[in-house]
Amino acid sequence: EAGVAQSPRYKIIEKRQSVAFWCNPISGHATLYWYQQILGQGPKLLIQFQNNGVVDDSQLPKDRFSAERLKGVDSTLKIQPAKLEDSAVYLCASSLGPGLAGNEQFFGPGTRLTVL
Amino acid sequence: DAKTTQPNSMESNEEEPVHLPCNHSTISGTDYIHWYRQLPSQGPEYVIHGLTSNVNNRMASLAIAEDRKSSTLILHRATLRDAAVYYCILRDNYGQNFVFGPGTRLSVLP
Repeated sequence: EAGVAQSPRYKIIEKRQSVAFWCNPISGHATLYWYQQILGQGPKLLIQFQNNGVVDDSQLPKDRFSAERLKGVDSTLKIQPAKLEDSAVYLCASSLGPGLAGNEQFFGPGTRLTVL
Repeated sequence: DAKTTQPNSMESNEEEPVHLPCNHSTISGTDYIHWYRQLPSQGPEYVIHGLTSNVNNRMASLAIAEDRKSSTLILHRATLRDAAVYYCILRDNYGQNFVFGPGTRLSVLP
């Protein structure tokens, strides 16, 4: 079974530039998550989708971050404009569904963003 | 904020059992206890979860205290591949507030 795919794996940009990350979840997984992991910390949930609807985006900095999940499958996370403090690994995860079905989340390898 | 407390780091010798503790004194009746681990340069991976009873799977065992205020992840025979950061997380039925703390960094010595 194919896992969660993410691209690119690495990205280096200058502050105030824009960047986008792409995620393809496991086939059939209705719930998709984006996490931000700063070096030395645990992942922090940014946004959770159920199919193509947003379930939780309470920790997403909406003035600069946006995310969409068109057709309830692939998802993109965008940062515009980027700040130095956005340097982190951005992880995408998926699960069969919310609630008890989301007890096992499958994570992708992440995209490492460096903002100079 | 994370609702669990774990030691920052632990060491184990290869092929010995490892007991990773987690305190969650404010756990509610509907919170499941989850463990994930993150190997170097990889995304986290699910290890095990439980509600009240002890749980076993091919990766590990989860021992839950009778009052549910603490739990222990047990790796029966540590291997070098088990060196990772282990996260203990509480999650309710609706999947709300899935918060990772800093976790425990496990080192396995040959």
